[in-house]
Order: sequence, then structure tokens, then C-alpha cells
Amino acid sequence: GAVVSQHPSRVICKSGTSVKIECRSLDFQATTMFWYRQFPKQSLMLMATSNEGSKATYEQGVEKDKFLINHASLTLSTLTVTSAHPEDSSFYICSARVRDRPPNNEQFFGPGTRLTVL
Amino acid sequence: AQKVTQAQTEISVVEKEDVTLDCVYETRDTTYYLFWYKQPPSGELVFLIRRNSFDEQNEISGRYSWNFQKSTSSFNFTITASQVVDSAVYFCALSGPPDSWGKLQFGAGTQVVVTP
Repeated sequence: GAVVSQHPSRVICKSGTSVKIECRSLDFQATTMFWYRQFPKQSLMLMATSNEGSKATYEQGVEKDKFLINHASLTLSTLTVTSAHPEDSSFYICSARVRDRPPNNEQFFGPGTRLTVL
Repeated sequence: AQKVTQAQTEISVVEKEDVTLDCVYETRDTTYYLFWYKQPPSGELVFLIRRNSFDEQNEISGRYSWNFQKSTSSFNFTITASQVVDSAVYFCALSGPPDSWGKLQFGAGTQVVVTP
């Protein structure tokens, strides 16, 4: 299967700082990537849809000014948590849809990034 | 609106017992996809199965089997002869028609604990 990487895998930062998380499709092109958030002991919630070359689409209740998404190329999407606070501490997971392979609705998840804000 | 319900919060079994995880979904779409993922303590999601709404065939893969019944909007998952390595959180998820492919609605998850 296709491989999606995330960097960093784990980050600890101070309150008020910004953190950038990268999501890369390593061996395929992804026109669309998705960002999910998972709080401890909870399920995954879709935050936003990232489309290459256009603005991200955010789910209801997600602050677009706080969670900046940039899909600069067909293999890279970044999520920047701006002015992070302890309540932003969570597990952030991205997924990527394989370009030109919609009939099977294939997508691949990254390994996740654990963010801890002190 | 789409909804996925996994009513079982946690299931504890002894090794070699069978485990069945329930998943009930709600959707108004006629075309949709259902998924099961495993999330071990490491956090990484492991894809188990994808099934589209037009394929109600049940499937068996090794010790795993899935029972998809559109009539009851259920997509249940059974682990046969469970092993300690099966201990994880299992998520059922739902995706809509082509214009929303990739946007998954996850259930709350079921924690499976297998003890030796």
C-alpha cells in the first residue's frame, strides 16, 4: 500500500507558540488530504479537507485562523496550530486520497503527531 | 447527516475466545463506504477492510470476518480465536458518495482487551 508520513511524530511546546505538522505522501500523488484530531480516549474527528492549490475546507466548529492548512504540492500538506494552548493538546492524524483512484475510495493514514502544549 | 454507533465501549476476553464488535450506521446516501480500522497503543491506524454499499457479501480474512447487512444498517466485525496482539481500539467508519470520499465519520471505537 501507499505510504503517508507525518513529521514530527511527537512535539511538546509552550503555550502561545505555533507548531507546524507535515503530512507527506511518499510514493503517490494526493490531490486531497484530510486532517483529523483525536483527543485521549476519544474518536477521530475530521477537522478539514486540504486540496492542492486551493483553500482548505474546514468542518463546523474548527477555527480556520487557528489551524492553518497549506497544501503546497501534490505530496505535502501542512497543518499549523497557531498560538497553541493546552486544550489543543491532541493526536493529529492526516490521510491522503490517492489521485486518480476514486473508484475504490482509497486513502491512507499517516502515523499521527502527538502534540502536547504546556 | 451521517452517524456511526459503536455501542460497546470495551470488550474483555480471554485468549482464543471469539469477539464480535457491533457497528450500526445512519446515512441518507445510496452510495457509501464502510470501513474498519484498528488502533493499537502506538496510535497508528491500521486499515482492516473497506466495503461499498452495493457489496453485501460477507468477507473472511484469516481470523477476521465481517457481516454487512443493509437491512439493519449494520457492519459487524468478528475476531475468531482472539490473541493478545488483537488488543487495540477498533473503529468503524463511514464515508459518503464520491464528492465526499475520504471524509470519514468514525464511531466512538471499541476497546478490545485480550488477556492470556
